Amino acid sequence: GESVGLHLPTLSVQEGDNSIINCAYSNSASDYFIWYKQESGKGPQFIIDIRSNMDKRQGQRVTVLLNKTVKHLSLQIAATQPGDSAVYFCAETPLGSSNTGKLIFGQGTTLQVKP
Amino acid sequence: DSGVTQTPKHLITATGQRVTLRCSPRSEDLSVYWYQQSLDQGLQFLIHYYNGEERAKGNILERFSAQQFPDLHSELNLSSLELGDSALYFCASSGVAGGPDTQYFGPGTRLTVL
Repeated sequence: GESVGLHLPTLSVQEGDNSIINCAYSNSASDYFIWYKQESGKGPQFIIDIRSNMDKRQGQRVTVLLNKTVKHLSLQIAATQPGDSAVYFCAETPLGSSNTGKLIFGQGTTLQVKP
Repeated sequence: DSGVTQTPKHLITATGQRVTLRCSPRSEDLSVYWYQQSLDQGLQFLIHYYNGEERAKGNILERFSAQQFPDLHSELNLSSLELGDSALYFCASSGVAGGPDTQYFGPGTRLTVL
C-alpha cells in the first residue's frame, strides 16, 4: 500500500554540524517528493521539493537527494542551527494522482540541535 | 506566515457534537486540501477541493464532510464527534488543480473532544 517511512524517529546533532534525515518510500511510481518542517504548535512549513526526473536539488542550506533505485529520499541540512530543531516530514504525491496533488506523509523525524 | 489562515485555533467540545473548521487559502490558490494529524496516525490526507469541486477523498470518515465556497474558503464539518477525533486539523492550499505542486499549510485547528 501507499506509505512513506522514515528511518529514525529522532536525530540529535551538534550545532554547526551537518544533518542528514532519511526517508524510504514504498510507491515506486511516485513522481513528486517534498520535505516539510514542523515546529511545535505550528503547521508544516515547506522546505524543498524534488520531482522524480531529478536526483538532487539544492536550496539555501538544504539539499534533497532522491535515489529511485532504492526508493530513498534524504534531506541534508548544512551547518545546523538551533532554529532547525523541529520535526521533519517527507511526503510524496503518487503517480497517477492526475486529479489531485494529495500528499502521503511519512511519520516524521525529530531533529534536536545541541548548542 | 504561509498566507493560509484557519479558524478557530483551538476547539473543545463534547462527544456527539458537531463542529465546523474554516480555512482561507492563499489569495492566488484554487486548491484546498484538508489533513488530520494525530499522534498515532501522523498526517493523513482527508479531502481535496479545487475551485469548488471535490477532486479526491482520502481516509475521511462519513461523519466528516467538506465544501469549498465561491470565494474559495473551505469548511470541514465534523459531526457525531468521538474521542478519537481529537487531533490537529490542517488545511493547505496550492495553485494547481491536480498533480504535484507545493502545498502551503495553515497553522491548524486543535480539536479536543471530551
